[in-house]
Amino acid sequence: DAKTTQPNSMESNEEEPVHLPCNHSTISGTDYIHWYRQLPSQGPEYVIHGLTSNVNNRMASLAIAEDRKSSTLILHRATLRDAAVYYCILRDSMDSSYKLIFGSGTRLLVRP
Amino acid sequence: DTEVTQTPKHLVMGMTNKKSLKCEQHMGHRAMYWYKQKAKKPPELMFVYSYEKLSINESVPSRFSPECPNSSLLNLHLHALQPEDSALYLCASSLTTGHANEKLFFGSGTQLSVL
Repeated sequence: DAKTTQPNSMESNEEEPVHLPCNHSTISGTDYIHWYRQLPSQGPEYVIHGLTSNVNNRMASLAIAEDRKSSTLILHRATLRDAAVYYCILRDSMDSSYKLIFGSGTRLLVRP
Repeated sequence: DTEVTQTPKHLVMGMTNKKSLKCEQHMGHRAMYWYKQKAKKPPELMFVYSYEKLSINESVPSRFSPECPNSSLLNLHLHALQPEDSALYLCASSLTTGHANEKLFFGSGTQLSVL
């Protein structure tokens, strides 16, 4: 399985943008890039996913490098509620099991 | 309704006890998952059910026994657990397991302590 590398932790100020990086240099052409986050005392929640093009939704934006070897999750204005562990995950559409396997993630701290 | 409901929220059990964790969803999802999460670690996949049949068992010890009685319900039966099995047990569901762009919806988990 292709793996992802994320910083262990990042800090941000409230109401400022946050860019969370993810490296996936061994990504295959059939891997989707997913982001989930886990707030304290909660289960993970889906944030966004993409294949090749940049994606936007109400929660965040996903910027995917042209060679797809890295991606960045962008929170446009961080709030205290965005403090969580953010997981970047690859899901291979050629793998019939479609397992969702979590890596170690990035713990985001938001300062008021 | 986009909720996955897990009960109980907390459970304390002895090593000789038998208990069950319950998970329910009413989104019409046909795939359901159990994950185990130790403190400060990422969730680890345990089991996947697809259309009420067990499709993945990630080499989980037999003291954990999953059951999917219908498409809305998922149980995890626990028997003769060890203290190292203490963890947060998370249930998730997705529409199917059929495409890599599907989202998983997670419950808030059951915090299990084995004494």
